[in-house]
Amino acid sequence: AQSVTQPDIHITVSEGASLELRCNYSYGATPYLFWYVQSPGQGLQLLLKYFSGDTLVQGIKGFEAEFKRSQSSFNLRKPSVHWSDAAEYFCAVGARTNGQNFVFGPGTRLSVLP
Amino acid sequence: EAGVTQFPSHSVIEKGQTVTLRCDPISGHDNLYWYRRVMGKEIKFLLHFVKESKQDESGMPNNRFLAERTGGTYSTLKVQPAELEDSGVYFCASSQFGNTEAFFGQGTRLTVV
Repeated sequence: AQSVTQPDIHITVSEGASLELRCNYSYGATPYLFWYVQSPGQGLQLLLKYFSGDTLVQGIKGFEAEFKRSQSSFNLRKPSVHWSDAAEYFCAVGARTNGQNFVFGPGTRLSVLP
Repeated sequence: EAGVTQFPSHSVIEKGQTVTLRCDPISGHDNLYWYRRVMGKEIKFLLHFVKESKQDESGMPNNRFLAERTGGTYSTLKVQPAELEDSGVYFCASSQFGNTEAFFGQGTRLTVV
């Protein structure tokens, strides 16, 4: 069965520090991979996605993620965190067919200290 | 261009009552999905429409939940009768046919008391 794990439920970093949010997946084939962010009172916003090609993917707001097939991982990174990055982050996998019946990870809540 | 719109944004109902959630997808998007996040748990897939047809409803928890998408435009998700464990945030998303990027609405927070 497909599954996504995000080992860290809650992470706190200082503003300006680097960030890495972990994501591991279990999937029978090469999936599509996504990171979404949900800020307080907002919907889910797509940060970035991996379909194929370059395994280092650039997204919005200065985020990037690297697909590592050997580790079944798709970790999200940002070199310098801003206070506005405080939110909940979700990793998701989707099938390579029409339709995105995503399987989401449990989410990682990010707090940013001034 | 308008995004995915959901309403109400928040609904509080008593156990045993009926609630209907609505989702307006992005115009022209054939795919429409419902997800929900029960408190403290993962976001779970409920069902997927392609136009007005249910493509996959494997995630619907039980027969108290009924989703419709008349005419292939907006969709409704009715919970009847609501139970306490139905509380959570219900998300709707849409995408173009064959397109793999789904756009999510802001969600409806349902509280059953």
